[in-house]
Amino acid sequence: QQQVKQSPQSLIVQKGGISIINCAYENTAFDYFPWYQQFPGKGPALLIAIRPDVSEKKEGRFTISFNKSAKQFSLHIMDSQPGDSATYFCAASRQTGANNLFFGTGTRLTVIP
Amino acid sequence: NAGVMQNPRHLVRRRGQEARLRCSPMKGHSHVYWYRQLPEEGLKFMVYLQKENIIDESGMPKERFSAEFPKEGPSILRIQQVVRGDSAAYFCASSPGQIGNTIYFGEGSWLTVV
Repeated sequence: QQQVKQSPQSLIVQKGGISIINCAYENTAFDYFPWYQQFPGKGPALLIAIRPDVSEKKEGRFTISFNKSAKQFSLHIMDSQPGDSATYFCAASRQTGANNLFFGTGTRLTVIP
Repeated sequence: NAGVMQNPRHLVRRRGQEARLRCSPMKGHSHVYWYRQLPEEGLKFMVYLQKENIIDESGMPKERFSAEFPKEGPSILRIQQVVRGDSAAYFCASSPGQIGNTIYFGEGSWLTVV
């Protein structure tokens, strides 16, 4: 059972465009929602994270939008650059108890120069 | 401050052999997680350990796989009698363990079973 659903599977964006990746979750006990960026042959690196007490968080060109009632959250990459080409994973966890992360299936982003 | 260290980075085993993957968490981190990533797939949770304790092993296959995090030394993920389907990247992650702390990943160990 996939606890976090992610779409699209792949995304091609022109340089300077906006990349949007969407995720949905089922478990209402989740209260921490990070996004990880992974380059080929490397481990996932934390990009940005949000907790459900806010609806949006922005760090530089990266923004998370969070809709608690719809149980959805999304990553927006503004002014996308070729260096952003990577696989992006959304994840969810509880901050108490067994707080292991449940990951989406990933989105392969390609930014064309 | 060194990150999460995993070794070996690449490991080739013949079917039926044993694979041992090691993970040293970040300094000050007492919680370790192991994840498996199959080609073109996401990361699947396997096991969550604290020093000398397994907290959650709900993602671990019931047979051939085991994990430990001893009082001294790295965490070990052990796969006995490997099969081709075990070929994957195995990622270790660590956190300080307090509520609200971020989980940091290592660079992974790539296991190939031939």
